[in-house]
Amino acid sequence: DAKTTQPTSMDCAEGRAANLPCNHSTISGNEYVYWYRQIHSQGPQYIIHGLKNNETNEMASLIITEDRKSSTLILPHATLRDTAVYYCIVKGFRADKLIFGTGTRLQVFP
Amino acid sequence: EAGVTQFPSHSVIEKGQTVTLRCDPISGHDNLYWYRRVMGKEIKFLLHFVKESKQDESGMPNNRFLAERTGGTYSTLKVQPAELEDSGVYFCASSQWGPEGSGAFFGQGTRLTVV
Repeated sequence: DAKTTQPTSMDCAEGRAANLPCNHSTISGNEYVYWYRQIHSQGPQYIIHGLKNNETNEMASLIITEDRKSSTLILPHATLRDTAVYYCIVKGFRADKLIFGTGTRLQVFP
Repeated sequence: EAGVTQFPSHSVIEKGQTVTLRCDPISGHDNLYWYRRVMGKEIKFLLHFVKESKQDESGMPNNRFLAERTGGTYSTLKVQPAELEDSGVYFCASSQWGPEGSGAFFGQGTRLTVV
């Protein structure tokens, strides 16, 4: 599985958009970009995934660059409850294991 | 619809004892995974079941760990005998494979403390 690079930490004001970047320059053509988050003491939570088109669901939007070497997870209106560690993971479409890195610790402040 | 449930939520055992963790996946999910996080480290994959078969057990640390999924429904992870370094949070996840990829849904974890 391709590796990803994320900033260690980010801050965001409540109500503002949180934009979390991820670099995955070695991604291969059949690999998806997945985003998960882990809120303190809870299990990881699936957020969204995409292949090459931008995706949006009730939680977030995923913007993937045309060359697919990077992506951005957007939380349009961050709340205090969005404070968590966010993981960007690249994997094939098969039901294979997830390889978690260190993620980005997002702190949403009032 | 019920999510992934794990039991117990916490377990404290002495070194050398046996502990069995249980995971009930989302109904209908063929894929079941075990992960763990030891203190200060990243979440690590342990094992992947497809129905009752072990698809990938490359992350199992040693033969003190035994996972089963009889009948392709719930799964158990037994640690026997437990060692101090086994302390951590054990997560179970399930998913149903789809042609466009699919997310895995995690339980709340079992916090295991070996003293």
